[in-house]
Amino acid sequence: KAGVTQTPRYLIKTRGQQVTLSCSPISGHRSVSWYQQTPGQGLQFLFEYFSETQRNKGNFPGRFSGRQFSNSRSEMNVSTLELGDSALYLCASATSGGPTDTQYFGPGTRLTVL
Amino acid sequence: SQQGEEDPQALSIQEGENATMNCSYKTSINNLQWYRQNSGRGLVHLILIRSNEREKHSGRLRVTLDTSKKSSSLLITASRAADTASYFCATAPRMAGNNRKLIWGLGTSLAVNP
Repeated sequence: KAGVTQTPRYLIKTRGQQVTLSCSPISGHRSVSWYQQTPGQGLQFLFEYFSETQRNKGNFPGRFSGRQFSNSRSEMNVSTLELGDSALYLCASATSGGPTDTQYFGPGTRLTVL
Repeated sequence: SQQGEEDPQALSIQEGENATMNCSYKTSINNLQWYRQNSGRGLVHLILIRSNEREKHSGRLRVTLDTSKKSSSLLITASRAADTASYFCATAPRMAGNNRKLIWGLGTSLAVNP
């Protein structure tokens, strides 16, 4: 099986712009979670989608949004970028996203905001 | 807010030595998972231990869980240079309603010197 893929791998944007990141989960996985990872804050949960519905949400401002398509692929969007949004954004897929499910992570998208 | 706190933050050992890292958490959990992350890449699931288990093994890994102390430890025996990575614990809190959101620690950075 192919692993979780994320595109693009690297992105440079300027403040005020918006960005869309994409995640293709492992075939058959219906749960997709997004995380922001920074050196100071560690791994912060953004949101989780299951069957095209947002099932969980972390404590991020409304500038961060996401969606999931019928094929389970997911996108996340960040509008009005701020310098503090520079981070590694990780996507993880799981079979159903239950508490005992293993999450399979993609390689991440490194976003730099100038 | 972070649920798990790994200790130590950084660890440097020689090949062949054992490495022990600890994770403490704050609330009751369903399970605790350990993940490894190689430099700036996605995370890889290592092992899951349920709240009713006290110890679990997987190859050179040994995980213990003490729910009375709300802590877990990950032991890597006979370490290799390839074990150099950051190690994260993630807890699935036991709470009413939605319990699918994993909560992550800040990680322990392990360096295994050849």
